[in-house]
Amino acid sequence: AQSVTQLGSHVSVSEGALVLLRCNYSSSVPPYLFWYVQYPNQGLQLLLKYTTGATLVKGINGFEAEFKKSETSFHLTKPSAHMSDAAEYFCAVSVRAAGNKLTFGGGTRVLVKP
Amino acid sequence: DSGVTQTPKHLITATGQRVTLRCSPRSGDLSVYWYQQSLDQGLQFLIQYYNGEERAKGNILERFSAQQFPDLHSELNLSSLELGDSALYFCASSVGPGEATEAFFGQGTRLTVV
Repeated sequence: AQSVTQLGSHVSVSEGALVLLRCNYSSSVPPYLFWYVQYPNQGLQLLLKYTTGATLVKGINGFEAEFKKSETSFHLTKPSAHMSDAAEYFCAVSVRAAGNKLTFGGGTRVLVKP
Repeated sequence: DSGVTQTPKHLITATGQRVTLRCSPRSGDLSVYWYQQSLDQGLQFLIQYYNGEERAKGNILERFSAQQFPDLHSELNLSSLELGDSALYFCASSVGPGEATEAFFGQGTRLTVV
């Protein structure tokens, strides 16, 4: 079985500051890793994904994440926070053998201060 | 717009009742997933269908059932509803369970049981 741990249920950053959201996963087989964002009263939107190949993955809205197998981590970063980044962010893992169903972390709510 | 359509958007019903949530996947997607999002349990995978067949089962209660029809739309049936079933129910679709593609999420159905 797979699992995901997101460190910090709430993160507060100043506008223009670095955004760093931490995600650690557990999987006995090579995983696919995802970051999704959820704005209030909305569904989940994919920010980026890692399947195979390059371990630094770039996504939408200036976000990127790095897959580190040795650390079982997939942390999400953005160099400069914008007010529109205020939302909840979910890290998720899936494996092909399990039909690619997603196992989500608990989520991190990001507050951006002006 | 993800291309995944869920109806209704909101549903208020009484304990003991039965409701049906509907999902139309993106055009061309054969796989449908149902997830439940609640404050205490977070995002939990319920069940997956692929081309009309059940593919994987997660933390789905026996009072809940689902099916995928020949036109690929899916329905989630919730019966003998309890207060604790109040949650946001998401449907997601993807090309298929064997592909490392992302799942696209609908806007969700917010179920309130009173």
